[in-house]
Amino acid sequence: DVKVTQSSRYLVKRTGEKVFLECVQDMDHENMFWYRQDPGLGLRLIYFSYDVKMKEKGDIPEGYSVSREKKERFSLILESASTNQTSMYLCASSFYDTSYNSPLHFGNGTRLTVT
Amino acid sequence: GQQVMQIPQYQHVQEGEDFTTYCNSSTTLSNIQWYKQRPGGHPVFLIQLVKSGEVKKQKRLTFQFGEAKKNSSLHITATQTTDVGTYFCAGRRAGNNRKLIWGLGTSLAVNP
Repeated sequence: DVKVTQSSRYLVKRTGEKVFLECVQDMDHENMFWYRQDPGLGLRLIYFSYDVKMKEKGDIPEGYSVSREKKERFSLILESASTNQTSMYLCASSFYDTSYNSPLHFGNGTRLTVT
Repeated sequence: GQQVMQIPQYQHVQEGEDFTTYCNSSTTLSNIQWYKQRPGGHPVFLIQLVKSGEVKKQKRLTFQFGEAKKNSSLHITATQTTDVGTYFCAGRRAGNNRKLIWGLGTSLAVNP
């Protein structure tokens, strides 16, 4: 079974702090994604990566950056945390296929609270 | 903006009743995936539909992809308390299919 591990289940940070959310997958997947999930807004894509050192903006990249130095690890960085970034953050991975049919495998999520 | 509409937003049923959630896209989709998220959990992949008019079954769950590949449905027969959760559809637009477009989900509550 694919395992996608997010480093923290719950995180509380102060406004202005730099925050790192880590995600590791163990199935050699090429693709990795960061989503945030908010009530009434569903899942919104922040950033994704199709290869090491490669990243693409999703639908809501403002205030975030990412790093993918190794294939198995995809980090989400909040440069200066703000209260409107309080949310559930979900990491996902999938293998590459030319038809883009591969399903996403999600981690358990990190519930971030910014005070 | 949101391009995959999912209805209803909430559904409350008595155990044993049927349940259906619908997804409608404004554009043709190359494929559509369905996920289930249990309360407090993360989305888990259920199934993918690719062909026009495709119907797939998983025990009490029936998934359909419309002939025009713009809509899809998930039907649960004789719901059980284990069916509780939020069901999401997510599709890829034909011709621009790198990103998944997610519906907002249908939350299902089942009274025992």
